[in-house]
Amino acid sequence: KQEVTQIPAALSVPEGENLVLNCSFTDSAIYNLQWFRQDPGKGLTSLLLIQSSQREQTSGRLNASLDKSSGRSTLYIAASQPGDSATYLCAVGNAGGTSYGKLTFGQGTILTVHP
Amino acid sequence: NAGVTQTPKFQVLKTGQSMTLQCAQDMNHNSMYWYRQDPGMGLRLIYYSASEGTTDKGEVPNGYNVSRLNKREFSLRLESAAPSQTSVYFCASRAPRATWGQRDNEQFFGPGTRLTVL
Repeated sequence: KQEVTQIPAALSVPEGENLVLNCSFTDSAIYNLQWFRQDPGKGLTSLLLIQSSQREQTSGRLNASLDKSSGRSTLYIAASQPGDSATYLCAVGNAGGTSYGKLTFGQGTILTVHP
Repeated sequence: NAGVTQTPKFQVLKTGQSMTLQCAQDMNHNSMYWYRQDPGMGLRLIYYSASEGTTDKGEVPNGYNVSRLNKREFSLRLESAAPSQTSVYFCASRAPRATWGQRDNEQFFGPGTRLTVL
């Protein structure tokens, strides 16, 4: 059974700092990996999607990497801003058979960026 | 293009009452999903539908039923609500391969339904 772990559970940084959020998974037979942002009381917004054949994806100040063999992904946020404050969720798309397309989520990292 | 929509946004039920959560997507996606989100547990898959006319159990299906009414709509029904079903419920749909303007197999989520069972 796929298990996804995110570290740290919470992170508080001053504005302008570069930061890294970590995600690890136990089964490397994945189809893709998706990073989401969730604001309090809101739904999930897709940030980045990395297919299993890719190593990284970039969108603006965000960069996500994937190392399937070691079961790890990182989300790098450059020059953090107070508006980046949210919960960041990592989700692994399971490959093969009846698991295809289903996402397994980590518990998230709560990020606070203070001015 | 509204994406994934869910109704209602909030609901309070008494133990034993029934209700149906509605979900619709306008992106012509085949696959749709229902998740629940609980503090400390993350998001867990309740049921999914790989295509119109098919449904399958996810990780936590007990106490729920689903209906894939057509390609657009996927509803979740609680027949006899219990306090343990107090949660936030999210519906999602998945882009198939090579869909113009969308990334392969990306999942899109609705805004959620916040359900309290007393």
